[in-house]
Amino acid sequence: EAQVTQNPRYLITVTGKKLTVTCSQNMNHEYMSWYRQDPGLGLRQIYYSMNVEVTDKGDVPEGYKVSRKEKRNFPLILESPSPNQTSLYFCASSRDPGNTIYFGEGSWLTVV
Amino acid sequence: GNSVTQMEGPVTLSEEAFLTINCTYTATGYPSLFWYVQYPGEGLQLLLKATKADDKGSNKGFEATYRKETTSFHLEKGSVQVSDSAVYFCERRGFGNEKLTFGTGTRLTIIP
Repeated sequence: EAQVTQNPRYLITVTGKKLTVTCSQNMNHEYMSWYRQDPGLGLRQIYYSMNVEVTDKGDVPEGYKVSRKEKRNFPLILESPSPNQTSLYFCASSRDPGNTIYFGEGSWLTVV
Repeated sequence: GNSVTQMEGPVTLSEEAFLTINCTYTATGYPSLFWYVQYPGEGLQLLLKATKADDKGSNKGFEATYRKETTSFHLEKGSVQVSDSAVYFCERRGFGNEKLTFGTGTRLTIIP
């Protein structure tokens, strides 16, 4: 079954404690991206990756890092989380940006 | 930059009512347009899309027509069901543009 898998699905953490949200896809997609969803703001793109070792900033990259060492994985790293990063995060992938995008189920992150 | 303006919610309708959710977009370039649906606790799923002017996307009784003259891509359904209750997102994607632009989402509730 085609899937985009994120972990953890739910996390409460404290300010400044580094965390990583993993994302894995089993569709051999080249394009992967991360979004955050906030009330009244919809989805905003954080980072995207066109292929292995190729990443670029989206609209709201501040406070986040990503890496793409393998095609299937695209982890989102919060080096020093702050409360304004409390949000619902989605990972997504597609064969290329012009094709159908598949979303993961989301990761609820709370920073206290 | 590019933007998508989506009808604010929440929208509450009775079962079998006619639905319209408005979406307008910036016309720079030749964007493709998409509608997604997000059910509670899930990621976004592609509902329908249109890639050029006058195209009509349709799926599950929903329709949207790419109207270049009014820069709109309104989502419609003739007779909604309780199972249509969800959040709906409009998305604009420029040709060769890896940065996706989403609307703020419209929460739809259908009451029996």
